[in-house]
Amino acid sequence: DIQMTQSPSSLSASVGDRVTITCRASQSISSYLNWYQQKPGKAPKLLIYAASSLQSGVPSRFSGSGSGTDFTLTISSLQPEDFATYYCQQSYSTSPIFTFGPGTKVDIK
Amino acid sequence: EVQLVESGGGLVQPGGSLRLSCAASGFTFSSYAMHWVRQAPGKGLEYVSAISSNGGSTYYANSVKGRFTISRDNSKNTLYLQMGSLRAEDMAVYYCARVERYSYGFGFRSDYWGQGTLVTVSS
Repeated sequence: DIQMTQSPSSLSASVGDRVTITCRASQSISSYLNWYQQKPGKAPKLLIYAASSLQSGVPSRFSGSGSGTDFTLTISSLQPEDFATYYCQQSYSTSPIFTFGPGTKVDIK
Repeated sequence: EVQLVESGGGLVQPGGSLRLSCAASGFTFSSYAMHWVRQAPGKGLEYVSAISSNGGSTYYANSVKGRFTISRDNSKNTLYLQMGSLRAEDMAVYYCARVERYSYGFGFRSDYWGQGTLVTVSS
């Protein structure tokens, strides 16, 4: 099974900061990597798919990059509504059990 | 508007059973694979089970294999998760999610999610 890790597990940042979150897969997953945002008590929301494609309606301050085993999610200028937990997810699997990373919590400094 | 509405959660004793439902609307349900994902209190997201668009193929995480059964009724636009032999570690919010294929090969994304239903396992 493909394992996903994320770093850091949490970070504190201020409004306007540039934030980068890293996700690593235990084997190459090409570009089959999705990013989700989850706020407390809410369902996850798809932000990025195919490692770097922005989901419709998602602000352009969110961007993704990477391929193979190493990926990043970048928020170019953190906004108050961006304080949340972010998860990566791989879909490079013949059985559709698409594992998630453990999450990165972004909170207010 | 795409909507997914889960129901059926509640309090159940260890060893008990529960059936979750996910009512879909706003899209052609029979054209999409569907997933169940859960989140234990204060924890991350865990994939539980998946089913193909016609229900002919099903998949389970090792943690629930043999205890949970996923199914769907495309005539009713509804996804189900029958949960049995429930354990304390199954306590979580359960989400259903639509799976969209955006490219040939392994290009899948969960683009719509329900609001979740809470399953509490306790005596």
